[in-house]
Amino acid sequence: TQLLEQSPQFLSIQEGENLTVYCNSSSVFSSLQWYRQEPGEGPVLLVTVVTGGEVKKLKRLTFQFGDARKDSSLHITAAQPGDTGLYLCAGERDDKIIFGKGTRLHILP
Amino acid sequence: GAGVSQTPSNKVTEKGKYVELRCDPISGHTALYWYRQSLGQGPEFLIYFQGTGAADDSGLPNDRFFAVRPEGSVSTLKIQRTERGDSAVYLCASSKHPRTGVHTEAFFGQGTRLTVV
Repeated sequence: TQLLEQSPQFLSIQEGENLTVYCNSSSVFSSLQWYRQEPGEGPVLLVTVVTGGEVKKLKRLTFQFGDARKDSSLHITAAQPGDTGLYLCAGERDDKIIFGKGTRLHILP
Repeated sequence: GAGVSQTPSNKVTEKGKYVELRCDPISGHTALYWYRQSLGQGPEFLIYFQGTGAADDSGLPNDRFFAVRPEGSVSTLKIQRTERGDSAVYLCASSKHPRTGVHTEAFFGQGTRLTVV
């Protein structure tokens, strides 16, 4: 059973379009993190959200934590080819960081 | 460098052999994680150390897998009688503070790609 479900698994869109990636769970997390992973590299943290309903912005990326702290979304505005990569959500629970399977994003120039 | 260092970067071994994977965390980081990542998947939790002790080893798939961190710094993941299904990238991460009640960033190494032939 996957604790964190990410959707979609794959997304290929044109440069300039907007997109949203979802991370859902039936469990409550004390925090939720979004990472980005490039091929051959380890994941790199983008943001941590802690409070239910919290919204954080990182340039063209907007992260939201659900009110019940069970789900999160990542919205990218005006996607660019440099946004291509594997986006992972991870929940903090019982002193562990549990990852979703990831969304593989490909932005076409 | 000041980041998490994992060695070797690549390891090819024959089925049935024993392997050791090393992780050198960022200096001063008390928490250390091991994850396993299969192609196209997210990292799968294996074990978490707080200092020298394994705080949670519930992710280790079976008793062929074992990890140690004897001095609270470098950690070694040991796999006995390797099987082809063990082939994956093994990632190590460390973080600065004890996890409980503190939300901190986990820094990952580049991983060790293990191939069992």
